Amino acid sequence: KNEVEQSPQNLTAQEGEFITINCSYSVGISALHWLQQHPGGGIVSLFMLSSGKKKHGRLIATINIQEKHSSLHITASHPRDSAVYICAVSNFGSQGNLIFGKGTKLSVKP
Amino acid sequence: EAGVAQSPRYKIIEKRQSVAFWCNPISGHATLYWYQQILGQGPKLLIQFQNNGVVDDSQLPKDRFSAERLKGVDSTLKIQPAKLEDSAVYLCASSPGRVGEQYFGPGTRLTVT
Repeated sequence: KNEVEQSPQNLTAQEGEFITINCSYSVGISALHWLQQHPGGGIVSLFMLSSGKKKHGRLIATINIQEKHSSLHITASHPRDSAVYICAVSNFGSQGNLIFGKGTKLSVKP
Repeated sequence: EAGVAQSPRYKIIEKRQSVAFWCNPISGHATLYWYQQILGQGPKLLIQFQNNGVVDDSQLPKDRFSAERLKGVDSTLKIQPAKLEDSAVYLCASSPGRVGEQYFGPGTRLTVT
């Protein structure tokens, strides 16, 4: 079993829909990261959080430390949101390196 | 502020050949990471540097992979000799300290034929 599991693996939505991507992890963490990867490979950090909730524009990230679960929400989705969204965790006792999930491929249709 | 630079962006080589990748992190970032991302998977850490010292290279296949960051700034990752299973995107990332947000370069897509 992977230490970081994401669901769903693939997600297709219509423009304007509310989207949720889930991440569960099995290790103790110091922080959880949500990353966005567009075709071509470049990765952009969206959020780093260790508790509660963060919001940036139409993106919202939440984390429940007790349940070892995080969600990434996209409100009013747009075709430009189409990308792979990756959850990664910083393991307690690690030197800061990340353990990555396999990613969720999101496609938003106009 | 300039981002993390990587070169080349694409490389095609035959198996058993050698290849080197270069990374220049964001100015002032002490920590530098090299990740390997195989198609359809999340990135996997190969090596982490803190300044010019190695912090973690436990997942680096040391029989064929090597990396250095001699002056604590830019870094090179080398594969010698390459195998078919090394085909992947090699990502470089940097961060100001040992923990915290990481900033990724555009990656180098390697194809081994």
